[in-house]
Amino acid sequence: AQKITQTQPGMFVQEKEAVTLDCTYDTSDQSYGLFWYKQPSSGEMIFLIYQGSYDEQNATEGRYSLNFQKARKSANLVISASQLGDSAMYFCAMREGPRSGNNRLAFGKGNQVVVIP
Amino acid sequence: GAVVSQHPSRVICKSGTSVKIECRSLDFQATTMFWYRQFPKQSLMLMATSNEGSKATYEQGVEKDKFLINHASLTLSTLTVTSAHPEDSSFYICSASGWLAGGPDTQYFGPGTRLTVL
Repeated sequence: AQKITQTQPGMFVQEKEAVTLDCTYDTSDQSYGLFWYKQPSSGEMIFLIYQGSYDEQNATEGRYSLNFQKARKSANLVISASQLGDSAMYFCAMREGPRSGNNRLAFGKGNQVVVIP
Repeated sequence: GAVVSQHPSRVICKSGTSVKIECRSLDFQATTMFWYRQFPKQSLMLMATSNEGSKATYEQGVEKDKFLINHASLTLSTLTVTSAHPEDSSFYICSASGWLAGGPDTQYFGPGTRLTVL
């Protein structure tokens, strides 16, 4: 069964607008972590933001915020004030179990975002 | 901080040869390194997890004799694709995690290596 689901088709976003990328997850663990990564066309995976399952506040990092709805098992990424450089694939990922150095991540299939001027 | 390098960025080789890819954590000690494979327009597929000084743990379906992983130090892991064939052509990405880099489970990725086997 898929642990991370990202089903949105490719998205076009107007520059300076906000965009929300959907991510739902499936786990029976109480302790887990959710990550968002950005992959531009050059290929490198860039860590954006992290949300722990016990964190009460939604995570924010600059223009990125994570809308964490635990009961719905969703962890949507919100990018505010889109910039042309935000055009990329965005991957949601989950770590199951408590934090440790060995945690494997399960990745979703990704959301393609294209920012248009 | 938390920079991971990968070398080479691109490699083209003949079928039957072996190719070594290096992954280095430049400014932190990586207790664990991960190797992924990514096909075009697809997600990352975890191949193996390696801890410094011990044998790598391979995911189901990944041939350990085909993809040799060595994690000899806290800053270096290597992936060797042995007797490469065209179907091994792919984008290989490593990641590293360590207690000093954003938390013990945040994985920081290298820029990837594009392997083409002719």
